[in-house]
Amino acid sequence: DVKVTQSSRYLVKRTGEKVFLECVQDMDHENMFWYRQDPGLGLRLIYFSYDVKMKEKGDIPEGYSVSREKKERFSLILESASTNQTSMYLCASSLAGELFFGEGSRLTVL
Amino acid sequence: AQKITQTQPGMFVQEKEAVTLDCTYDTSDPSYGLFWYKQPSSGEMIFLIYQGSYDQQNATEGRYSLNFQKARKSANLVISASQLGDSAMYFCAMTNTGFQKLVFGTGTRLLVSP
Repeated sequence: DVKVTQSSRYLVKRTGEKVFLECVQDMDHENMFWYRQDPGLGLRLIYFSYDVKMKEKGDIPEGYSVSREKKERFSLILESASTNQTSMYLCASSLAGELFFGEGSRLTVL
Repeated sequence: AQKITQTQPGMFVQEKEAVTLDCTYDTSDPSYGLFWYKQPSSGEMIFLIYQGSYDQQNATEGRYSLNFQKARKSANLVISASQLGDSAMYFCAMTNTGFQKLVFGTGTRLLVSP
């Protein structure tokens, strides 16, 4: 079975802190994605990567950056967390379009 | 740009009845794929069904079927014989040629009552 693992299920951070959300997949997928999910807004794409060291902006990249140094790992970075980044963050990897999701990381920024 | 619209924020259905969740899409790509995902209260996203834009027949997976009407740009999910465990959020999504990224709708919350 494909496994996508997100390092933290729940995080609480303070405004201005640097936040790292880690995601690892074990199926050698080329594509990896970071989404955020908010009530009434569905899932919105933040960044995606189709290869090591490659990244593409999604629909809402402002305030975020990403890192993909190894094929299996895709990290989302909040350089200076703000309260409006309180959300559920979902990582996914894909094969032929079908996404395999991690369990999500619920981030609260106080 | 691609866009997915789910106009039903919530739906109610009784156990054993069928329910249709609406999804319309907009794209200029001739080749695309349409997906439905289920998200129970536990939060994980579960892939349900896929329809390719060139598929001649509507996709079916067990109790799930996708009513694909290309001219209307709609890809409604039909759940037959609803079960209590079907209560969840349902997201419609689409991808373009090359399957580089998935665009999601805002979701429909389905509640199945006994």
